[in-house]
Amino acid sequence: QSVLTQPPSVSGAPGQRVTISCTGSSSNIGAGYDVHWYQQLPGTAPKLLIYGNSDRPSGVPDRFSGSKSGTSASLAITGLQAEDEADYYCQSYDSSLSGWVFGGGTKLTVL
Amino acid sequence: QLQLQESGSGLVKPSQTLSLTCAVSGGSISSGGYSWSWIRQPPGKGLEWIGNIYHSGSTYSNPSLRSRVTISVDRSKNQFSLKLTSVTAADTAVYSCARRPCGGDCYSPNNWFDPWGQGTLVTVSS
Repeated sequence: QSVLTQPPSVSGAPGQRVTISCTGSSSNIGAGYDVHWYQQLPGTAPKLLIYGNSDRPSGVPDRFSGSKSGTSASLAITGLQAEDEADYYCQSYDSSLSGWVFGGGTKLTVL
Repeated sequence: QLQLQESGSGLVKPSQTLSLTCAVSGGSISSGGYSWSWIRQPPGKGLEWIGNIYHSGSTYSNPSLRSRVTISVDRSKNQFSLKLTSVTAADTAVYSCARRPCGGDCYSPNNWFDPWGQGTLVTVSS
């Protein structure tokens, strides 16, 4: 059971918009710690997608955006493309556990 | 472009010590502004942070693993290592190394992991 809760799977048709939620608690996201998002394409290492809740590293398309509110965060992907099919993970810090924590991951399927 | 590559034993017997190395290329592990981490993912489960090593050589590990974890750095070889003692089947996982950009504070809880190594599967079995 991961500290940060993500839906196991989401899906969408090409061109559509999907969102992936990441629900935490008062000891992590709700405490004000930043949320970061990673994309893991099949057979590859996780890649930083969003850092500091909503910032994109250079090279990441602006189709990807992040937001945070209260004890939750969200990753939105617009203009869905087949190449977006991957696993997505959120990450933050938890003060009760005194360490960095991850979501269980969400598998995005492009229909 | 910085790259990280894990290596080590893929099969470890229960109660023995897991040893892995992360070789850094395309940059120096001694350059300031970064710390270095280990993360693992058991089959079918989520990601678990294992620990960090900082530029000073100090380390900080997951409290749930702390008594069994040692992280060290070999600057002459541009690599850092993980040792996990007294392993059990529950330690079977893909182990990955990653860099943590410090921003203004290497000890900030808000730092992220980028980039990651490809990961290496370690199986604990007799």
